[in-house]
Parts: sequence; C-alpha cells; structure tokens
Amino acid sequence: QVTLRESGPALVKPTQTLTLTCTFSGFSLSTSGMCVSWIRQPPGKALEWLARIDWDDDKYYSTSLKTRLSISKDTSKNQVVLTLSNMDPVDTATYYCARLYCTSITCYFDYWGQGILVTVSS
Amino acid sequence: QSALTQPASVSGSPGQSITISCTGTSSDVRAYNYVSWYQQHPGKAPKLIIYDVSNRPSGISNRFSGSKSGSTASLTISGLQSEDEADYYCSLYTTKEVFGGGTKLTVL
Repeated sequence: QVTLRESGPALVKPTQTLTLTCTFSGFSLSTSGMCVSWIRQPPGKALEWLARIDWDDDKYYSTSLKTRLSISKDTSKNQVVLTLSNMDPVDTATYYCARLYCTSITCYFDYWGQGILVTVSS
Repeated sequence: QSALTQPASVSGSPGQSITISCTGTSSDVRAYNYVSWYQQHPGKAPKLIIYDVSNRPSGISNRFSGSKSGSTASLTISGLQSEDEADYYCSLYTTKEVFGGGTKLTVL
C-alpha cells in the first residue's frame, strides 16, 4: 500500500526558508521509474507543480521558482525534502507531495499525500 | 513549459454528459500522450481518474473517459451524478509537469 505524508511548519514568516518533508511508504525511490514531485495550491486557486526528484537523483524545478527551490531525497529514510527560500505571503498554499509513476510509455501522479497548509505571515 | 487552458466552469444535470477541454500548444499536448486528469473534492487531495489520455486506473468508473484531438485533450463524464461535483485538472508530463487551471463542475 502506497502512502505519502507531508510534514513541516504550518506558519512561516516572510523571508524565511520553508522546509517540507514528504515521508512515503509502499515503494522505494531507488526503483527505476519512481519519482516524487511537490505541487502546491493557493487557497481557491489551481494546482502548481514545483519540483521533482527521480530515482536516479535527477532533479527538475519550476522555471518560475527554480532560484528559490531545492529538492533532495534520503532513500534510506523514504523521505523527500523540499526547501523554498525567501517566503512571501503569496506562497501561502497547501503543499502536496505526489508519486509520479513512470515507465517507458507512461507517466502520471498515482498517489498523493493529504497536503499541508502553509501560511506565510508576520 | 506553458500552462494548459481549461474552462473555468462547466455544469450539467444528473444523468447528462459533460466534456471538459484542456488545450495546450502544438509542441506539447499534440506531441505527447502523457495527459492525465485529476478530480479534487473540496478539502481533499487530487485523485487520478485518467492517465495516458484515455486510460482509467483500477476502481474508476467507466463514466469517466478521455480523448485527444490535436492540441486539445478532453475529459467526458457521462451519466452525471451529484458526487461528480468537484474540480477537475488536466496535467501533461514531458520533462517537467504542468497543470491546467482547473474546471469547477457543478451538478445542477
């Protein structure tokens, strides 16, 4: 059974760095084709893809946020960590981690965490 | 990678069919079959309902179907039910992922 769970602070101050952890079970991020992405959703708005890390440690970032984002994994702990620097109130959102399942012919988000609401306020 | 365009809202009565479009540029949706659709109820995480344009994961009702023509992918929901009322997002994978702006489905 695949599960993902996001953890981190619910409240951060402007200019601080946000660190979120995705702890997952039911699969290994060292297995070919397995990837984990972070996606966020401001209140009442659409989903926005942020970053992805692949089983081979390849990393991909949103073009608009790449200077502020960093993603890493700890395969032994089944965790993926996302950092977003210089937080601003517009970064207030629910942050999700999701597994991207890829084969040679397909890629899709098949499992999602429940999400964590992060509010940016002084 | 540019965003995908969806209508902001659609509506239908129980038992009817509706279609939600997802339009990209000729260099993405047209060229790739990695289009997926997600259903999101208020306060819940998105749920995969269609992958690879037209495939349904196990457990998803056959009332949900997907297709693609040129640069536009479409999600059709037939036999509308009240529980179908939700937000729907398309997504495209190439090297990175991108989501559409979302469509709110109202069941009248």
